[in-house]
Amino acid sequence: DIQMTQSPSSLSASVGDRVTITCRASQSISNYLNWYQQKPGKAPKVLIYAASSLRSGVPSRFSGSGSGTEFTLTISSLQPEDFATYHCQQSYGTPLNTFGQGTKVEIK
Amino acid sequence: EVQLVESGGGLVHPGGSLRLSCAASGFTFSSYALHWVRQAPGKGLEYVSAISSNGVGTYYANSVKGRFTISRDNSKNTLYLQMGSLRAEDMAVYYCARVFGVSSGWYFDYWGQGTLVTVSS
Repeated sequence: DIQMTQSPSSLSASVGDRVTITCRASQSISNYLNWYQQKPGKAPKVLIYAASSLRSGVPSRFSGSGSGTEFTLTISSLQPEDFATYHCQQSYGTPLNTFGQGTKVEIK
Repeated sequence: EVQLVESGGGLVHPGGSLRLSCAASGFTFSSYALHWVRQAPGKGLEYVSAISSNGVGTYYANSVKGRFTISRDNSKNTLYLQMGSLRAEDMAVYYCARVFGVSSGWYFDYWGQGTLVTVSS
């Protein structure tokens, strides 16, 4: 099975900060990598798919990059509504898919 | 509007059974593969099971293989997860999610609100 490792597991940041979250795959997954945002008590919502494609309706301050085994999610200027947990997911091993353990973004 | 609404969660004793349902609306149900994904309290997301659009292909995580059965009724626009021999580690919020295919893989474009399964004596 493909393992996904996210770092950091949590971070504290201020409104306006640039935030970067990393996701590493245990083997190459090409660009079959998605990012989700989850707020407490809610279902996840997709932000980025295929490593770098922004889902329609998602603010442009969110961006994704990477291929192979290393990927990043960047929030260019953190907004109050962005405090949440972020999950990466590989869809390479279809239909078996795996998620990272999540990164909680908290207010500093 | 696309909607996925789970039901059937609740308290069950270890070793017991439960059937979850996911009622869909707002899209052509029979055209999409669907998954069950779970999240234990305070933990990350975990793939549980998947089913193809016509129901012929079914897939399971190793952790639930032989205990859970996924199915769908395309005439009723409903997805199911029959869970048996439940263990404490199966306790989680269970989400159903729709698969959307793109040129580089796929992603979950819609999720239900989740239903909580509690396994406790």
